[in-house]
Amino acid sequence: NAGVIQTPRHKVTGKGQEATLWCEPISGHSAVFWYRQTIVQGLEFLTYFRNQAPIDDSGMPKERFSAQMPNQSHSTLKIQSTQPQDSAVYLCASSLGGTGYTGQLYFGEGSKLTVL
Amino acid sequence: GDSVTQKEGLVTLTEGLPVMLNCTYQTIYSNAFLFWYVHYLNESPRLLLKSSTDNKRTEHQGFHATLHKSSSSFHLQKSSAQLSDSALYYCALRGNSGGSNYKLTFGKGTLLTVTP
Repeated sequence: NAGVIQTPRHKVTGKGQEATLWCEPISGHSAVFWYRQTIVQGLEFLTYFRNQAPIDDSGMPKERFSAQMPNQSHSTLKIQSTQPQDSAVYLCASSLGGTGYTGQLYFGEGSKLTVL
Repeated sequence: GDSVTQKEGLVTLTEGLPVMLNCTYQTIYSNAFLFWYVHYLNESPRLLLKSSTDNKRTEHQGFHATLHKSSSSFHLQKSSAQLSDSALYYCALRGNSGGSNYKLTFGKGTLLTVTP
């Protein structure tokens, strides 16, 4: 039973370049979350989707970050004009929705972004 | 908005000593759901235990926590630390557990290191 799959596992970009991170949630999970993990801030919420619809993007830096979920098996997080402060591990998680939601998120292994 | 505070960023213990990791939270909702997630090195974060019931002890894998709504606390405890407990521990909050928003708010995490 495959877990949440994130690619790439590591990405190095130059300042000002674009980075796109991919997430494949667990089959049957209708909620998909994006978090950013740093030592200083811990796990910061970015955004989440339910049944592919964006529900809450309150954690997204508005100007350069965007997320999409074009189908139930795929979500992307795009960062335009990357800055050194964007360096972090980006974690995707999925969960059951509706009455099945218990607060248990299943995380992927993360995509480590390094901006030089 | 919701917030979670984990006072200790780093806790170092000798094997066999008791573990206590602090977690306090703020939310306007009375039906908050609290969680502890654990992140072992080279693995994905995963749920350790959860609770929404006031003053009831919840246990899993040797760890336990009791939600105290009067003090807005959900401290994680274990009677005897093991080397394998070394990991990053996150406390998380779902403020309105009866609502439609699935968002979890995480604290900054506590890195527990257990030494021989």
